[in-house]
Amino acid sequence: AQTVTQSQPEMSVQEAETVTLSCTYDTSESDYYLFWYKQPPSRQMILVIRQEAYKQQNATENRFSVNFQKAAKSFSLKISDSQLGDAAMYFCAYRSAYNNNDMRFGAGTRLTVKP
Amino acid sequence: DAGVIQSPRHEVTEMGQEVTLRCKPISGHDYLFWYRQTMMRGLELLIYFNNNVPIDDSGMPEDRFSAKMPNASFSTLKIQPSEPRDSAVYFCASSYRGNQPQHFGDGTRLSIL
Repeated sequence: AQTVTQSQPEMSVQEAETVTLSCTYDTSESDYYLFWYKQPPSRQMILVIRQEAYKQQNATENRFSVNFQKAAKSFSLKISDSQLGDAAMYFCAYRSAYNNNDMRFGAGTRLTVKP
Repeated sequence: DAGVIQSPRHEVTEMGQEVTLRCKPISGHDYLFWYRQTMMRGLELLIYFNNNVPIDDSGMPEDRFSAKMPNASFSTLKIQPSEPRDSAVYFCASSYRGNQPQHFGDGTRLSIL
C-alpha cells in the first residue's frame, strides 16, 4: 500500500522568506499524481499544486513550486516570499494512476508565518 | 462557480441520535468522495461514488455508517446510532474523472456528546 510521510509536524518562516515543506512517499507504481493541499483555520481544503509523475518538469504555481525527485520518492513544496495568509496546515497527497481514487494523505505540516 | 457545498457546517448531538451529513458536488463532476479527519488518524477515505454508484466503501468504519447518492447533485452520509468516537470533521470532495484533482467542501464538524 502506498504511504505518504510528512516528517515535519510544524514549521515556521519569517514573512517574505522562503520555506520548504518535505514529503516522501512509498509506492511500487510508476505512474501517479502528487498534490499539496492547504488547510487554513477556516478548515477548507484548498488545492495548492499538483504534479504528474510522468512529467519531469517541476510544477509551479506563482509563489509555490515543488521539487519532485521521482527516484528518491520525494515531493517537497517550496513557498517563496511567504505571506501571513500562507499560515495553514499543508497536506501532501498521493493518488495512483491505476486506481485513480486511491488517494492517500500525509499527516500534515503546520506552517506558522511570523510577521 | 460554486464549489462543493456541505451542510451543516457544525453539528452537535447526543450519543445514540441519527446524524445526516449532506453534500452537493460541483456540477459536472462524476466522482464524489467522503472523508473523515481526526487528529489521531488524519484524513481517511470512507467511501466514493462514480456516476452515483458506490464503488469502494471499504473505509466505512462499521455498519452504523451508510452513504447514498440518489442523483448526481446530492449525497448523504448517515450515522445511526452515533457514538462519541464518531466526532470528527467530515469532508465531501468531488472530481471530474478519476485523474483530476479533488475539490473539497468546507467540511462538517461533528460533535457527539
